[in-house]
Amino acid sequence: AQRVTQPEKLLSVFKGAPVELKCNYSYSGSPELFWYVQYSRQRLQLLLRHISRESIKGFTADLNKGETSFHLKKPFAQEEDSAMYYCALRGSNYKLTFGKGTLLTVNP
Amino acid sequence: NAGVTQTPKFRVLKTGQSMTLLCAQDMNHEYMYWYRQDPGMGLRLIHYSVGEGTTAKGEVPDGYNVSRLKKQNFLLGLESAAPSQTSVYFCASSWGQGSVFFGQGTRLTVV
Repeated sequence: AQRVTQPEKLLSVFKGAPVELKCNYSYSGSPELFWYVQYSRQRLQLLLRHISRESIKGFTADLNKGETSFHLKKPFAQEEDSAMYYCALRGSNYKLTFGKGTLLTVNP
Repeated sequence: NAGVTQTPKFRVLKTGQSMTLLCAQDMNHEYMYWYRQDPGMGLRLIHYSVGEGTTAKGEVPDGYNVSRLKKQNFLLGLESAAPSQTSVYFCASSWGQGSVFFGQGTRLTVV
């Protein structure tokens, strides 16, 4: 079975502070990991894929297979980063499983 | 540049009524998914499809049925709606190894 855990439901930081959103996963094979962002109950937008290893809007995430984690990081948070963030895992059967999400609030 | 389109955007049903949600994608994607989003629960997979004519159960399939008669369409049916099915429903699609694209959501209320 595949599982994604986001331990923090809520995360609040001040503008300019570093932010880290945690994601841990459970999967027996080689997973594909994603981060999605959702602004004000709009559609989900892809933020990062671990395969592409790119940085979007200043966010980065590294897949740590030893710790089964895929934490999302940004060195300096901005107010426009306030949103719901979801970590997701796609297994070899193409089943895409999401965590419960973390609501990030960036205070001025 | 439609991407993934869901119909309808909003719907109110009475308990026991039936309805079908339509998801259409114009990207020739093989894989399509239906999720429900509830506060504090994140997105939970209802059913998914890995190709035309195929469907598979997700985490919360009870009370829902799906069909993928055409590659571009993935239908989600509620045969007898219940208040517990009040939710926001999202459809998504992708290539096997590609990015997953989402529709704008359908807000369903069952009274």
